[in-house]
Amino acid sequence: QQPVQSPQAVILREGEDAVINCSSSKALYSVHWYRQKHGEAPVFLMILLKGGEQMRHEKISASFNEKKQQSSLYLTASQLSYSGTYFCGTADNYGQNFVFGPGTRLSVLP
Amino acid sequence: KAGVTQTPRYLIKTRGQQVTLSCSPISGHRSVSWYQQTPGQGLQFLFEYFSETQRNKGNFPGRFSGRQFSNSRSEMNVSTLELGDSALYLCASSLVWDTLNNEQFFGPGTRLTVL
Repeated sequence: QQPVQSPQAVILREGEDAVINCSSSKALYSVHWYRQKHGEAPVFLMILLKGGEQMRHEKISASFNEKKQQSSLYLTASQLSYSGTYFCGTADNYGQNFVFGPGTRLSVLP
Repeated sequence: KAGVTQTPRYLIKTRGQQVTLSCSPISGHRSVSWYQQTPGQGLQFLFEYFSETQRNKGNFPGRFSGRQFSNSRSEMNVSTLELGDSALYLCASSLVWDTLNNEQFFGPGTRLTVL
């Protein structure tokens, strides 16, 4: 079952912060985060594993609440280069049945 | 180090035909996964291969098949094409066997249009 992402879209000014959420109705083993710019392939940001630590990629960090089957992606002091669509991908408790969320479109304006 | 390469980049086929797409992973990577991306359905997982063995399969009909060769290159085949198969097909490679729980590197994709 596809995870739910919120918000669907967000517009920021450069330097502002944003949070993107990803939630699933099933127990999860891993949550992936990817960013895809228009016309390009998705680019891996980070992966969070059950029982693992909060991850960080430059000024982007993420957390994984295993009990709630939720993950949040935190974008701090956003840059123009952060614009794109952010996808979360989840694998179930057995590390299988990988499913992507519908994506969150992020636009950073100067 | 060269990235993931996919050929061809663009393809136009007609309904009922079959198509084969190719993916060469990053040198040294032994896992390959395939995804379909459409505006309506988003990104969907097709299958995952490691050492020539299919490890996981998404929820797609049997018309979609794949294989991996001993050099880790992978192909996916779609038979009896339907209009709804028009999509961007992405291939991703990973260094380790457990692709779905590790970092994946995506190729540029093959844009398939079915007329």
